[in-house]
Amino acid sequence: GESVGLHLPTLSVQEGDNSIINCAYSNSASDYFIWYKQESGKGPQFIIDIRSNMDKRQGQRVTVLLNKTVKHLSLQIAATQPGDSAVYFCAENFAGGTSYGKLTFGQGTILTVHP
Amino acid sequence: DTAVSQTPKYLVTQMGNDKSIKCEQNLGHDTMYWYKQDSKKFLKIMFSYNNKELIINETVPNRFSPKSPDKAHLNLHINSLELGDSAVYFCASSQEVRETQYFGPGTRLLVL
Repeated sequence: GESVGLHLPTLSVQEGDNSIINCAYSNSASDYFIWYKQESGKGPQFIIDIRSNMDKRQGQRVTVLLNKTVKHLSLQIAATQPGDSAVYFCAENFAGGTSYGKLTFGQGTILTVHP
Repeated sequence: DTAVSQTPKYLVTQMGNDKSIKCEQNLGHDTMYWYKQDSKKFLKIMFSYNNKELIINETVPNRFSPKSPDKAHLNLHINSLELGDSAVYFCASSQEVRETQYFGPGTRLLVL
């Protein structure tokens, strides 16, 4: 499969379980965070975002938690389904200087959901 | 109705050639981006244009030249292709800078 040879963190879950994907971001000045899902052979797809004035944001079956103290972001997926199998990326952005508008992506986590 | 489209989807070429990748968005967005994804899935921004004006230019070799003929298009021209240019190139767009970015399907470039 496409993941052969990659050395990304991996998470394997059973269908119906809840999944938690973690991300450590690098810049304490970042104030905008996004989670993307990338299926094999496709472009990254927006899942959910959160700004630094919030600790938690919920979407449909997904929740993002932000802990600015330890620079940690997590994505929780409820009742994980086989269609959730993909690589998940966190991305950060801050408004300062020449980085304005620039998204910095994390390394990605491979989520595999077993039926 | 593809929101962000790229052509071609696959591009196989010889070292030293010049090639272009085209990107179009029909979302009415003001900002467009080019990203490179390497074999380890690492995604890195290359360029960004806002209202046809270059706003982000990462440390990319000057063999890479973006061109934005209008707000809906951002093309990427690559001169003198090298083996290390092999990657997947993604175009993205957002309504404004620091808004949600929507990605195209990618162009898989293989330099032989």
